[in-house]
Amino acid sequence: DQQVKQNSPSLSVQEGRISILNCDYTNSMFDYFLWYKKYPAEGPTFLISISSIKDKNEDGRFTVFLNKSAKHLSLHIVPSQPGDSAVYFCAASLSHSGGAQKLVFGQGTRLTINP
Amino acid sequence: DAGITQSPRHKVTETGTPVTLRCHQTENHRYMYWYRQDPGHGLRLIHYSYGVKDTDKGEVSDGYSVSRSKTEDFLLTLESATSSQTSVYFCAISAGQGLGNTGELFFGEGSRLTVL
Repeated sequence: DQQVKQNSPSLSVQEGRISILNCDYTNSMFDYFLWYKKYPAEGPTFLISISSIKDKNEDGRFTVFLNKSAKHLSLHIVPSQPGDSAVYFCAASLSHSGGAQKLVFGQGTRLTINP
Repeated sequence: DAGITQSPRHKVTETGTPVTLRCHQTENHRYMYWYRQDPGHGLRLIHYSYGVKDTDKGEVSDGYSVSRSKTEDFLLTLESATSSQTSVYFCAISAGQGLGNTGELFFGEGSRLTVL
């Protein structure tokens, strides 16, 4: 079963506008939620995270919102820039053996910023 | 950038042959992970390690084994490769949760494996 879901495979946004990427999860035990950005032929890079006890975290142009009652989080990028074109993965973290943080990833959303 | 090196970066092999992918880190991080990325599935955890000689299974561990004999190296072995193991494999490292640290993972650049 897919514990973390990104239901939009792709999103197209005009440069300068807001990009909103969405993610849903099913497991209430996740303790952190993270967003990763991935360019072709590169590894994913960490973007921003939020603790399960918070409802908002902001870092420059990036803001993540967490709605625990709906088991939903979203990433807002404003203003969107051409360099933001990439695949974005939502991930949720669970503590496991020896303190390891296992990340469960969504399927990814391909964001395209149009000039 | 976190010091993670994966090798080989590209490999083509035949069904039934053994394959070993290597992940090397220079960060002295305790935790190391192997993920695979496939279209429509995102990244899925294969195995992870929480210390030298300490490993555990992830969600898609069948057909894979791992070893970690020293802190800096984490090996992923496909004992007998199958076409379903054609994928891009990513190694990741983490220092674990701590003050101001959410335990985020830092990923290598990936190893593309094709099994014919």
